[in-house]
Amino acid sequence: IAGITQAPTSQILAAGRRMTLRCTQDMRHNAMYWYRQDLGLGLRLIHYSNTAGTTGKGEVPDGYSVSRANTDDFPLTLASAVPSQTSVYFCASSAASGRGNDEQFFGPGTRLTVL
Amino acid sequence: GQNIDQPTEMTATEGAIVQINCTYQTSGFNGLFWYQQHAGEAPTFLSYNVLDGLEEKGRFSSFLSRSKGYSYLLLKELQMKDSASYLCAVLDSNYQLIWGAGTKLIIKP
Repeated sequence: IAGITQAPTSQILAAGRRMTLRCTQDMRHNAMYWYRQDLGLGLRLIHYSNTAGTTGKGEVPDGYSVSRANTDDFPLTLASAVPSQTSVYFCASSAASGRGNDEQFFGPGTRLTVL
Repeated sequence: GQNIDQPTEMTATEGAIVQINCTYQTSGFNGLFWYQQHAGEAPTFLSYNVLDGLEEKGRFSSFLSRSKGYSYLLLKELQMKDSASYLCAVLDSNYQLIWGAGTKLIIKP
């Protein structure tokens, strides 16, 4: 089934630990994104990748890193987790056809709690 | 700065019509999206507007006025399954999506 998957579904993490959130899409989309969603706030872009081999910083990149070694995978790493990184993390992808109506498809999300 | 404003919460009755408004101030404009997000789930695409006017898609319609920095999502013949959050997002000059905080819509029988 075509789509976008994320792992883990949820995680409780001790502060200071390193954590990688996984994201895989099989739609051959060029662009991929990582967002965090917090209560009362809109989705905030952490990092993005317009195509394999390139990445860029979004609105809230501090404390996070990404890589895009191939088209399908876009892992997000928290090098040393802090409680303020407690959030729901969504990975998304789009065809990035260069047109404005480039719908983003979202994964099911990862609920991360940092204690 | 960039800003998207939506009401935090709205309540409507099953079978009725509801209009969810969105106003925006962004650096550039390359279109406006509406997404639906059920509790605990991922956002899913509803509509895209780039030209002024009304786009109709079944029970859902979306309107855009670029000169006023304003959009609305109109939901007709409300069903209980329409209870969800509705997210407004603007594609800015860098083709990045700027998201509103969302409007939680509660449908009552």
